[in-house]
Amino acid sequence: AQKITQTQPGMFVQEKEAVTLDCTYDTSDPSYGLFWYKQPSSGEMIFLIYQGSYDQQNATEGRYSLNFQKARKSANLVISASQLGDSAMYFCAMREGGTGGFKTIFGAGTRLFVKA
Amino acid sequence: DTGVSQDPRHKITKRGQNVTFRCDPISEHNRLYWYRQTLGQGPEFLTYFQNEAQLEKSRLLSDRFSAERPKGSFSTLEIQRTEQGDSAMYLCASSRDGGSNQPQHFGDGTRLSIL
Repeated sequence: AQKITQTQPGMFVQEKEAVTLDCTYDTSDPSYGLFWYKQPSSGEMIFLIYQGSYDQQNATEGRYSLNFQKARKSANLVISASQLGDSAMYFCAMREGGTGGFKTIFGAGTRLFVKA
Repeated sequence: DTGVSQDPRHKITKRGQNVTFRCDPISEHNRLYWYRQTLGQGPEFLTYFQNEAQLEKSRLLSDRFSAERPKGSFSTLEIQRTEQGDSAMYLCASSRDGGSNQPQHFGDGTRLSIL
């Protein structure tokens, strides 16, 4: 069965520092996609970055990068040069691409606090 | 790209009443999803449409819940005989066709409060 685990309920980081948000997953489907979303206090879910199970390189999008370790089933989000506006909830999510349908499951989230 | 639109943003109703929410996806997106999010949790999948066909439903979607997407464009989610436990944020998302690499784009959600 699909499962996403985010073990850090809250994280603090100093402005301009880098921070890593942890995510582990479980699936028996060899084809899957991993996503990170940001949810500010205003409530909207903002897509940040995607990693496919067959991608050879770690995904990067601006200040966001995904540390994908397939054997460990982990997909940690790295935010470089943190900004005050990065303070939000961050969700890791997975969708199986085989016969598992198109359901996406989300982790419980990590709340990031960026300190000035 | 006008984004996913949800209406209303907030709904307050008494227990036992019926409520209906609307979602307008991004126009070129064939796939539409409904999720429920309670405080401090990630979104939980409710149901998924490919065009007008409802292809997958979660066990969370009791018989009081029904979703439609009659013309493959906007969708409605109806909750009949609302209960206290239905209080949550209801999120709609849409995505393009394709494999597991297509990100979902979310609306701002409808927050339901049951008195």
